[in-house]
Amino acid sequence: DIQMTQSPSSVSASVGDRVTITCQASQGISSWLAWYQQKPGKAPKLLIYAASSLQSGVPSRFSGSGSGTDFTLTISSLQPEDFATYYCQQANSFPYSFGQGTKLEIK
Amino acid sequence: EVQLVESGGGLVQPGGSLRLSCAASGFTFSSYSMNWVRQAPGKGLEWVSYISSSSSTIYYADSVKGRFTISRDNAKNSLYLQMNSLRAEDTAVYYCARNSLFDYWGQGTLVTVSS
Repeated sequence: DIQMTQSPSSVSASVGDRVTITCQASQGISSWLAWYQQKPGKAPKLLIYAASSLQSGVPSRFSGSGSGTDFTLTISSLQPEDFATYYCQQANSFPYSFGQGTKLEIK
Repeated sequence: EVQLVESGGGLVQPGGSLRLSCAASGFTFSSYSMNWVRQAPGKGLEWVSYISSSSSTIYYADSVKGRFTISRDNAKNSLYLQMNSLRAEDTAVYYCARNSLFDYWGQGTLVTVSS
């Protein structure tokens, strides 16, 4: 099974900051990686698929990169609505697996 | 508009059973694979099960294999999860999610396993 490891587990940042979250797969997954945003009490929302493709309707300040085992999610200029928990997920092979999550908090 | 609406959650005793449903609308349900994903209180996301568009391919997480059964009825635009031999550790919000991309999610239904 493929293990997904996110870092950091939590990060504090200010509005306007640039933030990067990393995700490492325990084995190569090509570009079969997605990023989700989840706010308290809500379902996750797809932000990025295929490692770097922006889901329709997602602001362009979100971007993804990487392939193989190392991936990043970057938010170029934090907005108040971006404070949430972010998860990566591999869709290369079953069982699908998620990272443990990164909580983005207001500094 | 794509909509996924889960139902069937509730309180059940350890060892009991529950059947979750996910009603789909706003897209051609029979053309998409579907998944169940769960989230224990205060914890991260855990993929539970996958079913292909025609039901020909099904996968389960090891944690639920042999106890849970995923199924779908394309004529009724509905996805199901039959959960048997429930344990305390199955307590979670259960989401249905469309496609291998998980591009749309339902609002979730809470399953609580407790005596």
